[in-house]
Amino acid sequence: DIQMTQSPSTLSASVGDRVTITCRASQSISSWLAWYQQKPGKAPKLLIYKASSLESGVPSRFSGSGSGTEFTLTISSLQPDDFATYYCQQYNTWTFGQGTKVEIK
Amino acid sequence: EVQLVESGGGLVQPGGSLRLSCAASGFTFSSYSMNWVRQAPGKGLEWVSYISSSSSTIYYADSVKGRFTISRDNAKNSLYLQMNSLRAEDTAVYYCARDQELGYCSGGSCYGAHDYWGQGTLVTVSS
Repeated sequence: DIQMTQSPSTLSASVGDRVTITCRASQSISSWLAWYQQKPGKAPKLLIYKASSLESGVPSRFSGSGSGTEFTLTISSLQPDDFATYYCQQYNTWTFGQGTKVEIK
Repeated sequence: EVQLVESGGGLVQPGGSLRLSCAASGFTFSSYSMNWVRQAPGKGLEWVSYISSSSSTIYYADSVKGRFTISRDNAKNSLYLQMNSLRAEDTAVYYCARDQELGYCSGGSCYGAHDYWGQGTLVTVSS
């Protein structure tokens, strides 16, 4: 099974900060990686697909990069609406990372 | 507007059964692969099951294999999850999720990121 390891588990940041979350796959998944944002009590929302493609309607401050086994999600300038939990998912066999909670510093 | 609405959750005793439904609207349901994803209280997301657009390809997570059955009725625009032999660790919010078209295809089935999700339905397994 392909394992996905996200880091950090929790991240404290301020509005305007540049934020980077990392996701590592236990074996190569090419570029079949997605990033989701989830707020409490809500369904996840797709942000990035195919490692670096921005889903329609998602602000351009979100970007993704990587291929193979190492991937990153970057928020260029953190906004109040961005405090949430973020998950990566490989969609070869659909494993999610354990999540990264972005908190207010 | 794409909508996915889950139903069928509730409280069930260990060893019991439950059938979840997901009603789809706003898109051509028969053209898309679908999934069930769950989230235990306070925990992360766990993919549960996948079904291709024609039902020709089905996959399950090891944690539910042999106990859960995914199915769909394209004429009724509906996705289902039959859950048998339920355990306390199956307690979770269950989401249905659509695979986007911008993925990859292999062996006649297509796979993508989950671009639309329902609001979820809570399943509680407890005596």
